[in-house]
Amino acid sequence: KQEVTQIPAALSVPEGENLVLNCSFTDSAIYNLQWFRQDPGKGLTSLLFIQSSQREQTSGRLNASLDKSSGRSTLYIAASQPGDSATYLCAVALYAGGTSYGKLTFGQGTILTVHP
Amino acid sequence: DAGVTQSPTHLIKTRGQQVTLRCSPKSGHDTVSWYQQALGQGPQFIFQYYEEEERQRGNFPDRFSGHQFPNYSSELNVNALLLGDSALYLCASSRGEGTEAFFGQGTRLTVV
Repeated sequence: KQEVTQIPAALSVPEGENLVLNCSFTDSAIYNLQWFRQDPGKGLTSLLFIQSSQREQTSGRLNASLDKSSGRSTLYIAASQPGDSATYLCAVALYAGGTSYGKLTFGQGTILTVHP
Repeated sequence: DAGVTQSPTHLIKTRGQQVTLRCSPKSGHDTVSWYQQALGQGPQFIFQYYEEEERQRGNFPDRFSGHQFPNYSSELNVNALLLGDSALYLCASSRGEGTEAFFGQGTRLTVV
């Protein structure tokens, strides 16, 4: 059974800091990995999508890396801003029989607070 | 493109009642998945629909059922509601197999 763990559970930093959020998964046979952002009481916004054949993806101030062999992904946020405050969720889709139906297994999330 | 839309946004039901939640996928998407998110937890997979059939199912009782229509929209039905069914219900859509998932804003269900 795939288990996804995110560390730290919560993080509070001053504006301008560079941040690293960690995600680990127990089954390395993943098809893809996604990072999401969730504002309180809202849905999920996709931030970055990494296929299993890729090592990293970048979007603006965000960079996510994937190391399947060690079962880890890292989300790097550069020059953090108060508007980055949210919960960040990591999710993996397992590889099964040559494909993946895309069922996502989520971590518990990292609650990020960036204060001015 | 309106993205994934869910209705209603909020709902209050009494224990024992039945509820139906609705989801319209992103344009061009043919696969719809439903997730339940309890407060402070990550979303949990309920089931997935493709070509109007349930393709995968998570560890949820038969009280949870669904349907996908020819236009790819979907419904989630929950019968005999329990207090523990109170949660944010999220719908996600994708195109084909193993592609990027896009989520709606969710339906907040409160069972009293």
